[in-house]
Amino acid sequence: GQSLEQPSEVTAVEGAIVQINCTYQTSGFYGLSWYQQHDGGAPTFLSYNALDGLEETGRFSSFLSRSDSYGYLLLQELQMKDSASYFCAVRDTSGTYKYIFGTGTRLKVLA
Amino acid sequence: EPEVTQTPSHQVTQMGQEVILRCVPISNHLYFYWYRQILGQKVEFLVSFYNNEISEKSEIFDDQFSVERPDGSNFTLKIRSTKLEDSAMYFCASRRQGSDTQYFGPGTRLTVL
Repeated sequence: GQSLEQPSEVTAVEGAIVQINCTYQTSGFYGLSWYQQHDGGAPTFLSYNALDGLEETGRFSSFLSRSDSYGYLLLQELQMKDSASYFCAVRDTSGTYKYIFGTGTRLKVLA
Repeated sequence: EPEVTQTPSHQVTQMGQEVILRCVPISNHLYFYWYRQILGQKVEFLVSFYNNEISEKSEIFDDQFSVERPDGSNFTLKIRSTKLEDSAMYFCASRRQGSDTQYFGPGTRLTVL
């Protein structure tokens, strides 16, 4: 089956750097996306990796290694408002219109 | 900035009843999606819609569910004969051609009693 696994919870302090990993088992996909979701809110797009390597968007960076079936989201200079759930997601090539989301990581940022 | 809207924000219904959840995707987007999220769990793909027809559906999306684009702006999810386990947050999303960025609506919280 197709699955994307993430750690369930990560805790860090304000100003720190945190890495949220996503390991996947899927036959093929177009790219790896990351979404942020605050409690009671909708997922919002953060970052997308079509190719292997690092993509940087402000304080957030995302990395993909297809050979290792692995990606991560890196959050720098953590702020309290970064406390949220983070999901990785792929668009499956078995059906070009289907997206699979990861299990989600709840990030707690402590003062 | 354009956004996806959904109505109602919260729907309470009795088991066995039918509900219709409504979405207005971003106007120049061509791909539309419905997702379900049970409280505290991951986002689950239900169905995708393109060119006025279903393009992909998950195992969850059985005969109980249907989608429609009744006019040029609305996109609806109908759930027939609701069950207790249908209680969840339902998100609509849309994206434009050539992009993998999905824009999610604020969601409809469905409670089945």
